[in-house]
Amino acid sequence: GESVGLHLPTLSVQEGDNSIINCAYSNSASDYFIWYKQESGKGPQFIIDIRSNMDKRQGQRVTVLLNKTVKHLSLQIAATQPGDSAVYFCAETPISGTYKYIFGTGTRLKVLA
Amino acid sequence: NAGVTQTPKFQVLKTGQSMTLQCAQDMNHNSMYWYRQDPGMGLRLIYYSASEGTTDKGEVPNGYNVSRLNKREFSLRLESAAPSQTSVYFCASTHFGAREKLFFGSGTQLSVL
Repeated sequence: GESVGLHLPTLSVQEGDNSIINCAYSNSASDYFIWYKQESGKGPQFIIDIRSNMDKRQGQRVTVLLNKTVKHLSLQIAATQPGDSAVYFCAETPISGTYKYIFGTGTRLKVLA
Repeated sequence: NAGVTQTPKFQVLKTGQSMTLQCAQDMNHNSMYWYRQDPGMGLRLIYYSASEGTTDKGEVPNGYNVSRLNKREFSLRLESAAPSQTSVYFCASTHFGAREKLFFGSGTQLSVL
């Protein structure tokens, strides 16, 4: 399939290390946030979400942190594995946008063996 | 559980040709969306359907039409394809609105020559 985001920022991480992927969101009124993983040639896959009344949420090997003061979202992946190699992007939903998601352009994660 | 199914996966058109991209979801979701994804850019909304019987324009609707055939199916039509419509197209769905996880199909890679 077509490679997505030919000029994306890239994060290279050693297998087994932790990864931190950052996202600066655009709208201070956004109240719902999602992280997606997209492998080459595939559709975005939901990883984890968080609402604005929370600062942190944990899933299996993943943690999302939300800092509303500086409009910053981060995704932490513990013990990064080769299968984690993909493009990761965040999405936000403004309070006023009932049907509107705003998507970031993404970060490419490369896991080094 | 198939989730969101898109057909075809690949398509090559000549300028001026028409085609319809098909999308079906089996999650009993009310809201369905069509996005396009271009290198270096976030997903951009073409059209969405908040619920069966309704459709609305997104941020890049020109050159496209949609039909919400029933609750399961939401099609995207290109009446007269242009090279600027070369992109990867994703269909997505949620139970209701943008306050919930958005589930994506695997995409259609379209090239217009």
